[in-house]
Amino acid sequence: EAQVTQNPRYLITVTGKKLTVTCSQNMNHEYMSWYRQDPGLGLRQIYYSMNVEVTDKGDVPEGYKVSRKEKRNFPLILESPSPNQTSLYFCASSYGTGQDQPQHFGDGTRLSIL
Amino acid sequence: GENVEQHPSTLSVQEGDSAVIKCTYSDSASNYFPWYKQELGKRPQLIIDIRSNVGEKKDQRIAVTLNKTAKHFSLHITETQPEDSAVYFCAASSRSSASKIIFGSGTRLSIRP
Repeated sequence: EAQVTQNPRYLITVTGKKLTVTCSQNMNHEYMSWYRQDPGLGLRQIYYSMNVEVTDKGDVPEGYKVSRKEKRNFPLILESPSPNQTSLYFCASSYGTGQDQPQHFGDGTRLSIL
Repeated sequence: GENVEQHPSTLSVQEGDSAVIKCTYSDSASNYFPWYKQELGKRPQLIIDIRSNVGEKKDQRIAVTLNKTAKHFSLHITETQPEDSAVYFCAASSRSSASKIIFGSGTRLSIRP
């Protein structure tokens, strides 16, 4: 089954404790992206990648890191999480450059930073 | 940078009536406009999209119209049903924005029985 898989689905942690949210897709998509969803703000793009070893900042990259060492994986890293990063996070992937293709979303990761 | 404004933020319609959600964008180079539906506790899923070389696209009860001159696009749902209740997001992107995708803030649609 074609899918985007995120882990963990839920995480409660404390300020400053490094964490990684994994994202994997099995559709051989070139484009992958991370979004955060906050009430009243919609989906805001954090980082995206158009292919292996190519990553770019989205609209809200501060406090986040990503890597794209393999085509299927695109982990999101919070080196020193803070409470304002408490949010619902979605990973997505699509064909080609992603700019003009539908995004396929994972099931989301709810992060709470205390 | 690109900005996408979506209205209304909430919408309640009687079952069987039509619903219209509007989005405006700022980057005149935008050329791809998808709409996503997000049911409660679920992931966003594409319901329809339109590219800048087309003015209107229809898929059963759902249609999207694009006015490039005015830089706005709209989602139209006819004969609404209870399963249409969800949050709807518009988005816009352009090659000039280096593959960034900008979403609207969402519309919570409720269908009254």
